[in-house]
Amino acid sequence: GNSVTQMEGPVTLSEEAFLTINCTYTATGYPSLFWYVQYPGEGLQLLLKATKADDKGSNKGFEATYRKETTSFHLEKGSVQVSDSAVYFCALINNWNSGNTPLVFGKGTRLSVIA
Amino acid sequence: GAVVSQHPSWVICKSGTSVKIECRSLDFQATTMFWYRQFPKQSLMLMATSNEGSKATYEQGVEKDKFLINHASLTLSTLTVTSAHPEDSSFYICSATGTSGKLYNEQFFGPGTRLTVL
Repeated sequence: GNSVTQMEGPVTLSEEAFLTINCTYTATGYPSLFWYVQYPGEGLQLLLKATKADDKGSNKGFEATYRKETTSFHLEKGSVQVSDSAVYFCALINNWNSGNTPLVFGKGTRLSVIA
Repeated sequence: GAVVSQHPSWVICKSGTSVKIECRSLDFQATTMFWYRQFPKQSLMLMATSNEGSKATYEQGVEKDKFLINHASLTLSTLTVTSAHPEDSSFYICSATGTSGKLYNEQFFGPGTRLTVL
């Protein structure tokens, strides 16, 4: 089956610290991988994505590289800000070309950045 | 573009009443909409997949008579929680995919509806 495992939080960092949130997956076939962010009281927003091995998704200073050999898609940011405080979800779709395939989510990692 | 709205954003109701939540794609046609449920500090649980003009496909363990889903048009899907009870209190989120290109290969999420059943 398809599953996503991400590091449990909460993660608390000081402003300008380096962030890594680990994510590994299990999937049949060739999944596309996503990171979503959920700010307090809001819905999910797509942060970045990668659709094939070795692709790097990036947005707002966040990056993640699709590593097929380690089945991983770790999220990184070099210098976090207080405004990055949110819950981050790693997710996959196992059939990129099928618009009616639901996302499989990890459990989410809560990040708190303190000034 | 690709905006999904939900209404209401929050609702409080008495136990035993029914509540309808709307999910609308505002600037694209959504062939498929998904309904998720999120418990506090937990991940999103897929409840059902809704395709326009056909019956929704429910995930195992989700009561279809309890959570009625209607996807009557390409821009609107509704979730009705019937005879709501306190254990139905949760954050309900919908997402939608479009008919072609970028809209087909990405899910766009609504802001969610927080339901509290007293």
